[in-house]
Amino acid sequence: GENVEQHPSTLSVQEGDSAVIKCTYSDSASNYFPWYKQELGKGPQLIIDIRSNVGEKKDQRIAVTLNKTAKHFSLHITETQPEDSAVYFCAATTNQAGTALIFGKGTTLSVSS
Amino acid sequence: DAGVIQSPRHEVTEMGQEVTLRCKPISGHNSLFWYRQTMMRGLELLIYFNNNVPIDDSGMPEDRFSAKMPNASFSTLKIQPSEPRDSAVYFCASRYTTNEKLFFGSGTQLSVL
Repeated sequence: GENVEQHPSTLSVQEGDSAVIKCTYSDSASNYFPWYKQELGKGPQLIIDIRSNVGEKKDQRIAVTLNKTAKHFSLHITETQPEDSAVYFCAATTNQAGTALIFGKGTTLSVSS
Repeated sequence: DAGVIQSPRHEVTEMGQEVTLRCKPISGHNSLFWYRQTMMRGLELLIYFNNNVPIDDSGMPEDRFSAKMPNASFSTLKIQPSEPRDSAVYFCASRYTTNEKLFFGSGTQLSVL
């Protein structure tokens, strides 16, 4: 089955700096890669996703890149703000009926002002 | 749309007691997932259903755990008897089978004393 590794487990940056979180996956059949943000006391919320036919996707200050050959994908947050502080999870799935998202262990991002 | 609704938000119980967690998925969604979140293991998939049918329960820790989905708008996760190591946050999530986007509830914080 799929296995997703995520690094780093914690990341501290100054407000305005960029933050990068990296994930690798094991199943070459995986073709959907979402990123979730979890704030304290809440469930994870989808912030951006990418499919295997796309190499990069951007949404304002957030971007995700995918390298299918190397089986890794990354989340990039530019111009970080204190409200970006949260736990971020990457995930992967084959998107076939009857399959589930497998999550990385999460990265705790702290943005200090 | 009210989103995925879980109850209770918090549950404190004593070892040996039965615990039942409840979930109402988003209306129209036909896939439902139960995840468990701990510091050590992150977000673990316990079981998921497609069209009310359990597809994969290989993540259920042991026979003390059971899950049901009697209809499209309700699911339960039961632990009997509960043990202190079951203490965690349990999340329910739902999606359309043919759409990868997964939506999480706010979770149930379970503490077994």
